[in-house]
Amino acid sequence: DAKTTQPNSMESNEEEPVHLPCNHSTISGTDYIHWYRQLPSQGPEYVIHGLTSNVNNRMASLAIAEDRKSSTLILHRATLRDAAVYYCTERDTGNQFYFGTGTSLTVIP
Amino acid sequence: DTAVSQTPKYLVTQMGNDKSIKCEQNLGHDTMYWYKQDSKKFLKIMFSYNNKELIINETVPNRFSPKSPDKAHLNLHINSLELGDSAVYFCASSQPTGGIQYFGAGTRLSVL
Repeated sequence: DAKTTQPNSMESNEEEPVHLPCNHSTISGTDYIHWYRQLPSQGPEYVIHGLTSNVNNRMASLAIAEDRKSSTLILHRATLRDAAVYYCTERDTGNQFYFGTGTSLTVIP
Repeated sequence: DTAVSQTPKYLVTQMGNDKSIKCEQNLGHDTMYWYKQDSKKFLKIMFSYNNKELIINETVPNRFSPKSPDKAHLNLHINSLELGDSAVYFCASSQPTGGIQYFGAGTRLSVL
């Protein structure tokens, strides 16, 4: 069964970079790694995804280990609006995705 | 317009009742999902459904059933509600199946 593991919580100072790690040792060779975040009282929203190469978009960067068993979501300059629960996900059986409990990020002013 | 909308936003009911949560997406996606989030923020897939296939997470009690009147809607029916059903339920959709998911704002269900 698919399972991702992430630290329960992390803290960052405002304006500093944040590295959010995730282990996904059961990921298959053809499945993408997706990251989502959930702001307070909202539904999860897509952040970024990747397969093998590192990826960048306007929200974040994604660094994927060479063996694909782990990845790191990088927020280059944390803002107070980035305080959220961050989930990395991998596909489980069929179309199901494993989310888990995510990492709760606190941004300190 | 909201891409994925759920109603109601809050639902308070008694044990043993039957209730439904509605979900609509206007993204033209073929696949829709239902998730359950418990008080510890654990987000768990319940169902994924497209016009060809329903995949049920084996841990979901058969009191829960998804019903899709058309491609844009996937409603969740819950029979004989129990205290442990209290949670936030999220609907989502994606295109293609397994692609980026778009979530609704959630329905907070409280069973008394």
